[in-house]
This record gives sequence, structure tokens and C-alpha cells, in this order.
Amino acid sequence: NAGVTQTPKFQVLKTGQSMTLQCAQDMNHEYMSWYRQDPGMGLRLIHYSVGAGITDQGEVPNGYNVSRSTTEDFPLRLLSAAPSQTSVYFCASSYGTGGNEQFFGPGTRLTVL
Amino acid sequence: GQQLNQSPQSMFIQEGEDVSMNCTSSSIFNTWLWYKQDPGEGPVLLIALYKAGELTSNGRLTAQFGITRKDSFLNISASIPSDVGIYFCAGHNNNDMRFGAGTRLTVKP
Repeated sequence: NAGVTQTPKFQVLKTGQSMTLQCAQDMNHEYMSWYRQDPGMGLRLIHYSVGAGITDQGEVPNGYNVSRSTTEDFPLRLLSAAPSQTSVYFCASSYGTGGNEQFFGPGTRLTVL
Repeated sequence: GQQLNQSPQSMFIQEGEDVSMNCTSSSIFNTWLWYKQDPGEGPVLLIALYKAGELTSNGRLTAQFGITRKDSFLNISASIPSDVGIYFCAGHNNNDMRFGAGTRLTVKP
């Protein structure tokens, strides 16, 4: 199993540009989530999904959209990037719908100029 | 919102020493978890705790779920150089996970 994979690893955007961060898992996990990690802070939950077709907001959802059309994929979309969205983004997944023991991807480092 | 206070922020210890770090919250959590993050990588789960008062070990690591469900601690015994990294506590309720700010551990050989 590849586990949780994320692409790209690094990305630089200009303010106002849009992009999609990709996340995929091959463990047949129901629960998937997106976090952002800023310097000196823990991870903060952006959006999560408890199964295909179901998504919900986390602690910091503004400026981000998600969809879950398949069990395997959970892309995160930035519609109009802002410098405040400069961060490291992590995708995670877990068995079942509770989202407790989560496995994390390697992260995407995003810089918005 | 639910805030987790993790301490200490950083620790510098000698190889072979024991380490203790803890996490407190003003809110109750149903699950407490401890993760380790190496530079440039995602967090890796070390220990998950599911019941108040539970004490769980994973090799040299021991963690406890506080009886009030508002705190947890992690102990590392006989530290080795590969223990270097950032340790995060996390509290989980109903699909929502909250993380502490992390404890950065440096181990001097």
C-alpha cells in the first residue's frame, strides 16, 4: 500500500490564483481530512469527509472547498489564493467514520505571494 | 473553540534521560492521541487512548488519558537520538480533531 499520497509537494501561487491540492489513499478508509500547519502551531482541521459524497467543515474552512466523489480521493481547492493561506497542508485518512487514528500524508508546502 | 495547551514547548536532553510532556484542555475529549513529526514529513501516530484513566505503553513510550478527560501525558524512557522530533498531542470528539502546538525534543548524544 502507498498509504496517503499528496501532490504537489511544493507550490508557489500568486494572490488570486486558484489551484487544487490532490490527496489519495489506497487503504479503503472512510474518513479523510485536510489540515493546515503554520509555524509554531499545531495542525488545524480545514474540512473532513466521512465517506463518498459527504463533507463537512472543520475549524478553519474559509477560503477552501472540498468534494469527495470517490472513497480514494479528497481534493482541496483554493478558489482565490491569499497570502494568509501560505502554509503546509496535510491530508489524512482513517478507518471508519470517527476519524480518530488518522494516517497522514507527507504534506504540500504552499506559498502565496 | 476547543484549545489544547501542550508543554513544554521544547526540551533539550541528554541521551539516556527520560522525558515527560503533557497536554491540557478546558474541554473534554473522548480520545487522546500522541503523534510524532519528523522534519518534512507528516505526523505519525504513536499512541491512542480511549478511556479515562487508561495507561498505555508502546515500547519506551507510555501515555495516560487523564481521569477528568481533559488532559494527557506522554513519557519517553531512556531517550535515544532518533527520538528527536516534534511531538503533538491531539484530542478527538465526533469527527473533529484538535492538536496542541507541539513539544520540540532535542536529544544530545
